[in-house]
Amino acid sequence: EVQLVESGGGLVQPGGSLRLSCAASGFTVSNNYMNWVRQAPGKGLEWVSVIYSGGRTYYADSVKGRFTISRDSSKNTLYLQMNSLRVEDTAVYYCARKLSSGWYSDYWGQGTLVTVSS
Amino acid sequence: DIQMTQSPSSVSASVGDRVTITCRASQGISSWLAWYQQKPGNAPKLLIYAASNLQSGVPSRFSGSGSGTDFTLTISSLQPEDFATYYCQQANSFPLTFGGGTKVEIK
Repeated sequence: EVQLVESGGGLVQPGGSLRLSCAASGFTVSNNYMNWVRQAPGKGLEWVSVIYSGGRTYYADSVKGRFTISRDSSKNTLYLQMNSLRVEDTAVYYCARKLSSGWYSDYWGQGTLVTVSS
Repeated sequence: DIQMTQSPSSVSASVGDRVTITCRASQGISSWLAWYQQKPGNAPKLLIYAASNLQSGVPSRFSGSGSGTDFTLTISSLQPEDFATYYCQQANSFPLTFGGGTKVEIK
């Protein structure tokens, strides 16, 4: 059974850093395209980043230069390193696996809340 | 970036009603469109991909149509478990973008 479990969220001050983890089971992270999507409280969904199976990465303009997506094959885990955090980064962060065809996400984690506040 | 506009932003309906939600892209996206359902406190769930393909395990009362810039999600007979927020997402190009959501509420 495919499962994604995020962790690492919490309260951080503006300008701080946080690393989110997404532990996968039931499939191999490095063989798949993986996304991070976030949702600010009471708001809609916003795509954040993707890592291709070949390692290429893309970011939303709002996080480019501050966030880094990566993975650890030995742990079958996806990461999102978030630096220079801003109040507007406050959101629930979801990791999601790309469907085999097309840029759609078929499996999602339960999400982890990141709160950026002084 | 491709902007996705959903309408209505909310709809009140009764069990058994037919509900239609529309999504418009700011430029043509062929059939690169998905629909997700999200219930409070839960992650989004993929319902429809490639505009009209039903994801495995999704009830057949959900259907999608459209291509180019205009798309529709239809729930043929609303069930109690369908009260949720629905989002469209374009998969044509990065950045992937979502519509603002349509909340389906109990009438």
